[in-house]
Amino acid sequence: DVKVTQSSRYLVKRTGEKVFLECVQDMDHENMFWYRQDPGLGLRLIYFSYDVKMKEKGDIPEGYSVSREKKERFSLILESASTNQTSMYLCASSFGGDSYEQYFGPGTRLTVT
Amino acid sequence: GQNIDQPTEMTATEGAIVQINCTYQTSGFNGLFWYQQHAGEAPTFLSYNVLDGLEEKGRFSSFLSRSKGYSYLLLKELQMKDSASYLCAVRKLTGGGNKLTFGTGTQLKVEL
Repeated sequence: DVKVTQSSRYLVKRTGEKVFLECVQDMDHENMFWYRQDPGLGLRLIYFSYDVKMKEKGDIPEGYSVSREKKERFSLILESASTNQTSMYLCASSFGGDSYEQYFGPGTRLTVT
Repeated sequence: GQNIDQPTEMTATEGAIVQINCTYQTSGFNGLFWYQQHAGEAPTFLSYNVLDGLEEKGRFSSFLSRSKGYSYLLLKELQMKDSASYLCAVRKLTGGGNKLTFGTGTQLKVEL
């Protein structure tokens, strides 16, 4: 079974803090993704990576950065957390190629106070 | 950009059939995915269409018409456990990776 794990299920941070969200997959997937999910807005892509040290902006990259130093690990960084970054953050991974589905982690519910 | 529309909510009866529609507008279309998401859980993959027609997988089927920018997910013999959000996602041909754009999801409630 594909396993995508995220470092925390719930996280509470203060405004201005630097926040790291970690994601690890164990299936040797080339592609990894970070989304946020908000009511009424659905899943929105923040950043994705299709290879080690490669990254591409998604639809809403502002206020976020990412790091992929190893194939199995993709980190999302909030340099200075703000209240509008309170959300559910979902990591996903997939093989490269057109038809492969993405496998999602359980999500991290981040609250910024 | 991309525009993906699906109904916000639907209600159906256990044992019945329900069809969840998804329309999209995009350039460089390269496939459509359906995911299921139970409350508080991660989305899980249901189906993938890249060519026109129907893909059947047990109680679930998905249809695609590329010329109409239209897909539907058909759920047969509904069960209570099918109560979930159903997400339509469009893959667009980009420089690299497997980037998807998701609709806002259809919340399906199955009643007795």
